[in-house]
Amino acid sequence: QQPVQSPQAVILREGEDAVINCSSSKALYSVHWYRQKHGEAPVFLMILLKGGEQKGHEKISASFNEKKQQSSLYLTASQLSYSGTYFCGTDLTGNQFYFGTGTSLTVIP
Amino acid sequence: EAGVAQSPRYKIIEKRQSVAFWCNPISGHATLYWYQQILGQGPKLLIQFQNNGVVDDSQLPKDRFSAERLKGVDSTLKIQPAKLEDSAVYLCASSLVGGNQETQYFGPGTRLLVL
Repeated sequence: QQPVQSPQAVILREGEDAVINCSSSKALYSVHWYRQKHGEAPVFLMILLKGGEQKGHEKISASFNEKKQQSSLYLTASQLSYSGTYFCGTDLTGNQFYFGTGTSLTVIP
Repeated sequence: EAGVAQSPRYKIIEKRQSVAFWCNPISGHATLYWYQQILGQGPKLLIQFQNNGVVDDSQLPKDRFSAERLKGVDSTLKIQPAKLEDSAVYLCASSLVGGNQETQYFGPGTRLLVL
């Protein structure tokens, strides 16, 4: 049930781009993306609904391919503040929510 | 707007003892979630309430964990008796209505260490 994220970890230099993928073995109603910094609670980034729409949030955007049961998070021109662990969250039935395995992102100067 | 409140922030107990965590969601939020996050893993949903009714508790170890949300506002999660593997951060989150289009707002969490 738990969606699988890739890569598990990535290190970037400031200004570089990154893509984080989230794959589910089951059909999805929606995909959520959260970022969690060490020792803190997860913070909401965005929600994507069925329909393959892409959403944007400053330099962070995401897509959702419901046929492939996948979502991707795009971080462009990364900043130091982007460091943290990124989790996708998938809603299978409208009432069952599973967080993904997580991707650790480190941005270095 | 006040965020999700949780207490205590830290708790250390010995195995076989009992422990309770408290959560007060954002005012007006109908849905409340309890998650368990083991170090290095993603949060795992334990139970989801819609007002004071349970929507999903399929991953709650019911032989030792219990939760209630009386009056549809604040909630308590209890572990009795605790095991070593229960050491984790317990996160509470709330959303306005619930369902697949809602943002979840998380509290600071309670760090539990079972010795």
